[in-house]
Amino acid sequence: AQSVTQLDSQVPVFEEAPVELRCNYSSSVSVYLFWYVQYPNQGLQLLLKYLSGSTLVKGINGFEAEFNKSQTSFHLRKPSVHISDTAEYFCAVIRPNAGGTSYGKLTFGQGTILTVHP
Amino acid sequence: EPEVTQTPSHQVTQMGQEVILRCVPISNHLYFYWYRQILGQKVEFLVSFYNNEISEKSEIFDDQFSVERPDGSNFTLKIRSTKLEDSAMYFCASRGIQGAGQPQHFGDGTRLSIL
Repeated sequence: AQSVTQLDSQVPVFEEAPVELRCNYSSSVSVYLFWYVQYPNQGLQLLLKYLSGSTLVKGINGFEAEFNKSQTSFHLRKPSVHISDTAEYFCAVIRPNAGGTSYGKLTFGQGTILTVHP
Repeated sequence: EPEVTQTPSHQVTQMGQEVILRCVPISNHLYFYWYRQILGQKVEFLVSFYNNEISEKSEIFDDQFSVERPDGSNFTLKIRSTKLEDSAMYFCASRGIQGAGQPQHFGDGTRLSIL
């Protein structure tokens, strides 16, 4: 079974500062990795995903994440945050099955609340 | 951009009553999911549905839960006899056919409060 750990439950940061939200996963097989964002009173919105290839992936709103297989990490970064980035961020994994098709159950981390202060 | 819609946004129900949560997935999607998030806890997978049948379910999804796609557009989650611990935010999601790497699109959720 897969598991995801987000090491920080809350991250406060000042506007225009850089931020890193940490995510580690555990799995005996290769997985696909995702970051979702949840703004207040809204659903989960995909920020970015890693399936294969280049380990640095870029997403929406200036976010990027780097896959590190040896450290089983997929940390999310943004060089300069805005007030509007205040939200909860979820790291998630999917295990593709051996046949290449998968019903795609997402396993989520606990979430990190990013609060950007002026 | 097409989106997943869920109704109602908030449902308050007495313990022991039946509740039906409704979702309209994105029209050309074929895989459907329900997740829930109890306050302060992780988002948890409940069930996936494909080709008019359950493809996978979690331990949470016991006999009190059922899902249905009654027509070509709606996808429902029914809880037969609600318990206090069913209070949570319930999210519906859908995705297209291309494989697990395709992102799941989520609705805004239904907040279920059991009294």
